[in-house]
Amino acid sequence: AQKITQTQPGMFVQEKEAVTLDCTYDTSDQSYGLFWYKQPSSGEMIFLIYQGSYDEQNATEGRYSLNFQKARKSANLVISASQLGDSAMYFCAMRGGGATNKLIFGTGTLLAVQP
Amino acid sequence: SAVISQKPSRDICQRGTSLTIQCQVDSQVTMMFWYRQQPGQSLTLIATANQGSEATYESGFVIDKFPISRPNLTFSTLTVSNMSPEDSSIYLCSVESGGKSYEQYFGPGTRLTVT
Repeated sequence: AQKITQTQPGMFVQEKEAVTLDCTYDTSDQSYGLFWYKQPSSGEMIFLIYQGSYDEQNATEGRYSLNFQKARKSANLVISASQLGDSAMYFCAMRGGGATNKLIFGTGTLLAVQP
Repeated sequence: SAVISQKPSRDICQRGTSLTIQCQVDSQVTMMFWYRQQPGQSLTLIATANQGSEATYESGFVIDKFPISRPNLTFSTLTVSNMSPEDSSIYLCSVESGGKSYEQYFGPGTRLTVT
């Protein structure tokens, strides 16, 4: 069975500092995808970054980068130069192989950026 | 990325009644997904809706409680039937972008409170 684990219920970071949000996964699929989403207090789910299991390079999107370590089954999100607007819940998710393409989500990490 | 809208954005309903949530996408998509997020929890997939076929429900969700329609490639509805306070959640629809990255984009969500 597929599973996503986020072990940090909450994190604090100072404005302009970098922060790493942890995510580990478990799957027996050879082909899979890993996602990070941001959910502000408004409730919308904002897509941040995607990493495919066969991608050789770590994904980057602006201030977001994904530290993909396949052997360790980890897909940590790194946010550089944190901003006050980064304060939100962050979810790691996985899409397994097969036809369903559904996402399985972790429990989330609540990030608070302090001025 | 797809632009997704949902109606209503929020509602307060009496127990025993039903609410239909609409999801509209600005482009044609094959798969649409309906998720539930209970208060303080992560997202759980309710069902996958493909145009022209019956929705596929996840374990723990049944068609009588959550009937879904998918009349065309840009629209879907989810009905929450015979509501109880335990149905109070955010309901989100999502679509897959297609192509290599399999990015999934979410609508803004419907915040439902059942009294």
